[in-house]
Amino acid sequence: DTGVSQNPRHKITKRGQNVTFRCDPISEHNRLYWYRQTLGQGPEFLTYFQNEAQLEKSRLLSDRFSAERPKGSFSTLEIQRTEQGDSAMYLCASSYPGQNYGYTFGSGTRLTVV
Amino acid sequence: AQSVTQLDSQVPVFEEAPVELRCNYSSSVSVYLFWYVQYPNQGLQLLLKYLSGSTLVESINGFEAEFNKSQTSFHLRKPSVHISDTAEYFCAVSSISSGSARQLTFGSGTQLTVLP
Repeated sequence: DTGVSQNPRHKITKRGQNVTFRCDPISEHNRLYWYRQTLGQGPEFLTYFQNEAQLEKSRLLSDRFSAERPKGSFSTLEIQRTEQGDSAMYLCASSYPGQNYGYTFGSGTRLTVV
Repeated sequence: AQSVTQLDSQVPVFEEAPVELRCNYSSSVSVYLFWYVQYPNQGLQLLLKYLSGSTLVESINGFEAEFNKSQTSFHLRKPSVHISDTAEYFCAVSSISSGSARQLTFGSGTQLTVLP
């Protein structure tokens, strides 16, 4: 069990550029979550996958955001035409159905839009 | 919909002193309750959770939290803190509904700083 892995750890990008983050969950976990954490706030739910199916999306996930989990294993979160307000820590978490709410979180990807 | 209020954004306390981090929640449905801890440059780690049964739950490192349904609170306590407890602590809730994605709603966090 190597935990939930997120890459890159840090990303600095210019406003208007596209960025993509990757999350590798724990191998036997079929549930995967993306959260966003801005400075001084708690994490906010973005989206949820069960296997490859994206089952829930928050209203925070604007049209510029897209998430995929093509083979039910790793997931990517893409932000198009980044804005300064997108600067945040993006957290990934995974779990399996029998795991009673014990998410395992990754260390996150910190995005800075300049 | 649920919301979580952590009343103190920062709590400084001296080593070996007791501490209480306050958490209140609002929900129209029954919820599960959680405390997560986040050390610098690390992800969130589950500290303890209340799902059902005894309203007092404990962690392996000496923290405890008590679910108070009438006051809609889930305060976190430790009788004697260590320098290593310095971290940000987040209270979170999740709807019990079996059809939900089990998404968590977090409070804004409390930075606990233990002073020597």
